Amino acid sequence: KQEVTQIPAALSVPEGENLVLNCSFTDSAIYNLQWFRQDPGKGLTSLLLIQSSQREQTSGRLNASLDKSSGRSTLYIAASQPGDSATYLCAPRPGTGANNLFFGTGTRLTVIP
Amino acid sequence: EPEVTQTPSHQVTQMGQEVILRCVPISNHLYFYWYRQILGQKVEFLVSFYNNEISEKSEIFDDQFSVERPDGSNFTLKIRSTKLEDSAMYFCASSVSSTQYFGPGTRLTVL
Repeated sequence: KQEVTQIPAALSVPEGENLVLNCSFTDSAIYNLQWFRQDPGKGLTSLLLIQSSQREQTSGRLNASLDKSSGRSTLYIAASQPGDSATYLCAPRPGTGANNLFFGTGTRLTVIP
Repeated sequence: EPEVTQTPSHQVTQMGQEVILRCVPISNHLYFYWYRQILGQKVEFLVSFYNNEISEKSEIFDDQFSVERPDGSNFTLKIRSTKLEDSAMYFCASSVSSTQYFGPGTRLTVL
């Protein structure tokens, strides 16, 4: 069964800093990987989806990379803002074609004004 | 922008009661999902639904759970006889291809 680990569990940075969130997964046979943000008590907002054949995917200040063979993905956030404060979750989808996502416990990011 | 919607936002029920959680997926989406998140834990997959039938389900999705698409817009999760450990946030999601879009969730509290 796929196990997903996200490090660090919590991160606090001053506004304007660039930062990297890490995600590792035990089964490298994935179809794609999705990054989400979750605000307290709220649903999940999709940020980026990176296909297994891709190395990087960018959206605005966010850049996700994928190293499938080593079971790692990173989410880079440039010029962080207080509005980026949330929990960030990564979720790989199995390479078998099944639609279920496996989630990590997330990284709780606080951006200090 | 189209969104997945869920009702109610919060449901309180007594142990042993049946509950139905409702979702309206994004209108042109073909795949529908339920996930749950127990407080402080990971989001866990329950079930996926495509072409009017279950396509995958997890070991959590036992005989107490069922899903239905009763009409062209709603997607429901029924828990037949709730247990204390069913207390969680339940998320509905939908997709047309790879990206899954999540609703705001229903917080279920079983007393």
